[in-house]
Amino acid sequence: NAGVTQTPKFQVLKTGQSMTLQCAQDMNHEYMSWYRQDPGMGLRLIHYSVGAGITDQGEVPNGYNVSRSTTEDFPLRLLSAAPSQTSVYFCASSNPGVDINTEAFFGQGTRLTVV
Amino acid sequence: SQKIEQNSEALNIQEGKTATLTCNYTNYSPAYLQWYRQDPGRGPVFLLLIRENEKEKRKERLKVTFDTTLKQSLFHITASQPADSATYLCALDVGGSYIPTFGRGTSLIVHP
Repeated sequence: NAGVTQTPKFQVLKTGQSMTLQCAQDMNHEYMSWYRQDPGMGLRLIHYSVGAGITDQGEVPNGYNVSRSTTEDFPLRLLSAAPSQTSVYFCASSNPGVDINTEAFFGQGTRLTVV
Repeated sequence: SQKIEQNSEALNIQEGKTATLTCNYTNYSPAYLQWYRQDPGRGPVFLLLIRENEKEKRKERLKVTFDTTLKQSLFHITASQPADSATYLCALDVGGSYIPTFGRGTSLIVHP
């Protein structure tokens, strides 16, 4: 099983550029989410989705857009990159289900540098 | 404000000893609490979930306790090994969304 796959693994952007971080999962999970991880700050929730066509904001949504057209994919778009968005980005998926087994599966991360 | 607090200082212990990590939270009433392990350059990996009506849960050398009165969870690794060296994150479900909110994590270093 591939699990949660993120691409690219590394990216350097210039200030003002836009790009999309890709996230795909093959576990048929309903819930997907994006986090950023900065030194000393832990994982902070950017956006999340509880199913295709449904998205919501997390703790730090500004500067990011998401959409969920399929169960498998949950791309994160940076509209106009800023140095403050330099971070490691993680995508996660889970399927609470009847048992409320909310184990989240994470991708390997995308290390983004904005210069 | 709502907080999830983990000791930011690294925990250094000798191989074979029991490591105990702490997660405190304020202003939440979570239905459950999770612990994850994160190795450098990797995504977090789920370890254990404990529900609000459970006092303790065990999995192999891992033990988690959950005290909803103290708003605290303790995470124990018995007979620790150098391979247990990693950052350990606690996470809560905030607001019933089933999307975990994480603490900042505590680094554990097990010395041979």
